Amino acid sequence: DAKTTQPTSMDCAEGRAANLPCNHSTISGNEYVYWYRQIHSQGPQYIIHGLKNNETNEMASLIITEDRKSSTLILPHATLRDTAVYYCIVRVSYNQGGKLIFGQGTELSVKP
Amino acid sequence: DAGVTQSPTHLIKTRGQQVTLRCSPKSGHDTVSWYQQALGQGPQFIFQYYEEEERQRGNFPDRFSGHQFPNYSSELNVNALLLGDSALYLCASSFLGDTEAFFGQGTRLTVV
Repeated sequence: DAKTTQPTSMDCAEGRAANLPCNHSTISGNEYVYWYRQIHSQGPQYIIHGLKNNETNEMASLIITEDRKSSTLILPHATLRDTAVYYCIVRVSYNQGGKLIFGQGTELSVKP
Repeated sequence: DAGVTQSPTHLIKTRGQQVTLRCSPKSGHDTVSWYQQALGQGPQFIFQYYEEEERQRGNFPDRFSGHQFPNYSSELNVNALLLGDSALYLCASSFLGDTEAFFGQGTRLTVV
């Protein structure tokens, strides 16, 4: 079963920051938080991941709370091409196979 | 550098038939995982292959089997197809234990 809870859908205005929340209250100490997105009918695309510290790359920022029970993905300047389903995933540890357990995801609609 | 490639892109089969889906991992990757994504759902982990052996398996019946070849490419076989097997089948490749998995575009299987 998925170990994350996300809102089903969100809207965001083009050019604004999109903040996507995720709850993972049962995360274990050695499990990472991953974010992927899936544009309609395509394979999921990796965005970012983190363990404890906040992370930033060219696509997004990941903010993880100190207790690691929740996180937020931030797309700083959303564009229409960011419209997709965003999956917050707790990745099982390497010793357990490292599989990705997807939930239902958040459908983000970026509007002009 | 080609990413993860899957073939065929679309496939229609009849109930009771058998199907083989193929995946070529990203260059240099040694681990292949397969996922099933039903319409409107997140991807579900089927199994993972490393060094030509099944390393971990999700909650799927024995009708689902796989194989990994010495060049790291992989096949997913499904026997005795059911209508419920209709889905997008995704292949993901990575280095074993590495952080990021790359997904292919998937094979859309329709069982009639």
